[in-house]
Amino acid sequence: DTGVSQDPRHKITKRGQNVTFRCDPISEHNRLYWYRQTLGQGPEFLTYFQNEAQLEKSRLLSDRFSAERPKGSFSTLEIQRTEQGDSAMYLCASSLGAGENNEQFFGPGTRLTVL
Amino acid sequence: DAKTTQPNSMESNEEEPVHLPCNHSTISGTDYIHWYRQLPSQGPEYVIHGLTSNVNNRMASLAIAEDRKSSTLILHRATLRDAAVYYCILRGSYRGSTLGRLYFGRGTQLTVWP
Repeated sequence: DTGVSQDPRHKITKRGQNVTFRCDPISEHNRLYWYRQTLGQGPEFLTYFQNEAQLEKSRLLSDRFSAERPKGSFSTLEIQRTEQGDSAMYLCASSLGAGENNEQFFGPGTRLTVL
Repeated sequence: DAKTTQPNSMESNEEEPVHLPCNHSTISGTDYIHWYRQLPSQGPEYVIHGLTSNVNNRMASLAIAEDRKSSTLILHRATLRDAAVYYCILRGSYRGSTLGRLYFGRGTQLTVWP
């Protein structure tokens, strides 16, 4: 399968713990995006990378969140000191370029539950 | 981001055509109209996009009003697999720091009955 993959698919953690998610984009795609989706809502943009550079961060991305994309390949999203409000589906997407004609390909998501 | 308005839900019977409307009265001249859909327990997937002219692909057709303030996604023969949330999204060529991101809204939940 050559699509976007995410690991883990599900994560249950206790409040206050740190968690890290991984996203592997489609190999030739230079753009990588992270979104968060809560129940009944559409995905909300968190941040994106062009190659290894993080170009934009949403106001939703508090200082407990950090994302990296070393070497412009896979990306990780870390949440420190998790809170119950962090419970959501975290989606990763990639695209070849950023133009309005470039579709984004989404992974299956990581569902986080904070107890 | 320019906003879109969609009905919360729609229903259809299998093998019937479905017309999913989207209003975008504040669309700018350089905004493309994109549609994505999200099947249960999956990430969103691209469906179709267009600028001014109607567009067709293997999944659907996109009909764009002449004034571009509304559009309609057309599924010619709905199947059970088409049951999903459909999102109408505007993407601009240049919108400052928001270039490339997608603004989803809440979309339309399509139910398909057998």
